[in-house]
Amino acid sequence: DAGVTQSPTHLIKTRGQQVTLRCSPISGHKSVSWYQQVLGQGPQFIFQYYEKEERGRGNFPDRFSARQFPNYSSELNVNALLLGDSALYLCASSFTREESTDTQYFGPGTRLTVL
Amino acid sequence: RKEVEQDPGPFNVPEGATVAFNCTYSNSASQSFFWYRQDCRKEPKLLMSVYSSGNEDGRFTAQLNRASQYISLLIRDSKLSDSATYLCVVNSPGAGSYQLTFGKGTKLSVIP
Repeated sequence: DAGVTQSPTHLIKTRGQQVTLRCSPISGHKSVSWYQQVLGQGPQFIFQYYEKEERGRGNFPDRFSARQFPNYSSELNVNALLLGDSALYLCASSFTREESTDTQYFGPGTRLTVL
Repeated sequence: RKEVEQDPGPFNVPEGATVAFNCTYSNSASQSFFWYRQDCRKEPKLLMSVYSSGNEDGRFTAQLNRASQYISLLIRDSKLSDSATYLCVVNSPGAGSYQLTFGKGTKLSVIP
């Protein structure tokens, strides 16, 4: 069975540009979460989506937005890119939104470099 | 106080050694606890969930002390392939849902 997939693998952008990252969850999983991991740190929660609705949001500016589609895939958008947005962006899927106990499985990530 | 704090590391140990990682968390409402492993420039992968009764998976043993808000991971008979960064992860209530909160990670290098 395919795991979580993300595209693109790598991306280089310049300051001020906009970027869209994509994620397909494990088949049957309905919840998708996005994380940002800067070098030397653990991943930091950005968003959780379940059944196409935003269910949780981390401490990120409004330049970050996301959505989930009827097939449960998801996109993360970042506007007005800053140098500090350079990071590995991870998508994780889980079966439900009952994430007090549900296990999240991570995709390989998209490595974004902002010049 | 950071939400999840881990030993800063790095840990450099010889093959066959036993190594222990410690982690504390600040949110007493946290519901579930995990150790993830992350290889260089790869995604985190679930190593094991952590239960109050303690749990073991081969050479790996995890413990949780809810009263002290403390989590540990013990690796026995270290292998070269255990070299990675180990992330302590806590599932805590946030704005609208439970959120995974990660520690900074502790890097382990197992040396021949």
